Amino acid sequence: DTAVSQTPKYLVTQMGNDKSIKCEQNLGHDTMYWYKQDSKKFLKIMFSYNNKELIINETVPNRFSPKSPDKAHLNLHINSLELGDSAVYFCASSQDPGQMNTGELFFGEGSRLTVL
Amino acid sequence: AQSVTQLDSHVSVSEGTPVLLRCNYSSSYSPSLFWYVQHPNKGLQLLLKYTSAATLVKGINGFEAEFKKSETSFHLTKPSAHMSDAAEYFCVVTSYSSASKIIFGSGTRLSIRP
Repeated sequence: DTAVSQTPKYLVTQMGNDKSIKCEQNLGHDTMYWYKQDSKKFLKIMFSYNNKELIINETVPNRFSPKSPDKAHLNLHINSLELGDSAVYFCASSQDPGQMNTGELFFGEGSRLTVL
Repeated sequence: AQSVTQLDSHVSVSEGTPVLLRCNYSSSYSPSLFWYVQHPNKGLQLLLKYTSAATLVKGINGFEAEFKKSETSFHLTKPSAHMSDAAEYFCVVTSYSSASKIIFGSGTRLSIRP
């Protein structure tokens, strides 16, 4: 009964490839997020969706494209992978109405992407 | 504008001794403040949160934090460290008036010596 689940947990791929990471939450939350955590543990928000609508789109290369087929899913597709994309990507969700972000975030266990 | 500063990148304490992880924030409006813990190869988990109720907040696993507006601080403490407390800790600030902004600190790695 995992609350926020991400797949795959580990992903090793070559430069130039395209890959996707999937995220699903069974908490009934309206808002979902993608975060990138670098090797120094620094967390940076990439995207946020509220009820399938994009509400945060931070300065992220166009090679990154989120897709939310419904409010329980938020997938991340990455084109033309580069070495610098190597990181741990975390999906999260919250009950907040998106514009306030004062509530608790529930995180998945992360997807470790290694680009060779 | 909001920001959060975790003053120590690494803290090491002996098992059974007190823990203090420091966090200072900056916010133009009434902030909500959180501490999250991340164990190795795991996602982040909420330890505790302050949302303008009691200034002393108790969390899970014996942790607590005190909101001090005059010092713009929200330090995390625990009276007696346990080996299982070894992890990365993140201080987080959000604001009612700042749309879609959740600001994470840079993290403090807590090590526990036997």
